[in-house]
Amino acid sequence: DAMVIQNPRYQVTQFGKPVTLSCSQTLNHNVMYWYQQKSSQAPKLLFHYYDKDFNNEADTPDNFQSRRPNTSFCFLDIRSPGLGDTAMYLCATSRDRGGETQYFGPGTRLLVL
Amino acid sequence: GENVEQHPSTLSVQEGDSAVIKCTYSDSASNYFPWYKQELGKRPQLIIDIRSNVGEKKDQRIAVTLNKTAKHFSLHITETQPEDSAVYFCAAWPGFQKLVFGTGTRLLVSP
Repeated sequence: DAMVIQNPRYQVTQFGKPVTLSCSQTLNHNVMYWYQQKSSQAPKLLFHYYDKDFNNEADTPDNFQSRRPNTSFCFLDIRSPGLGDTAMYLCATSRDRGGETQYFGPGTRLLVL
Repeated sequence: GENVEQHPSTLSVQEGDSAVIKCTYSDSASNYFPWYKQELGKRPQLIIDIRSNVGEKKDQRIAVTLNKTAKHFSLHITETQPEDSAVYFCAAWPGFQKLVFGTGTRLLVSP
């Protein structure tokens, strides 16, 4: 039944140690998004893929990268995590970009020590 | 760019009361307005949405109203229950750009 799956659900990493978070979807949606959410704040969009077209937000640090090898999977790579990257990372999908419902995955809670 | 303001930041009600959360947006091009409910440690879940060609939409105890002229939209929850306690986010979609979220409202429903 799960439509948007994220792994792992919890990740602890050390300062500066690269980490990869994964997202998969069974909805066959064209668009996949990565959000960062810190405590008590709204989700903040990092970037999104429209099919294979990558769209980065202007204020997303270079430390954050993404890959989408196929329609179903999308990865978030944090090359050198800092303490400030401790957050919930949410993947979401939508059928298209034009005012379509976004479906969120359960999130990966990342702790950088 | 689009800016969404959300009020109040916290809202406490007694079980059975109604709760209203209000949002204003700045970009008249915005045409899609979803509301998400997020329980502690869980994903945001869409609870209701409205498009700019509709003034009101209801789903059981939840309703959303939209005033395009004034650029504001509101979430109404009637007969609140303790399980309605969560953070609620409004959002606006200004065309082919990113979904812009409000700052969130923490709703606490006391038994």
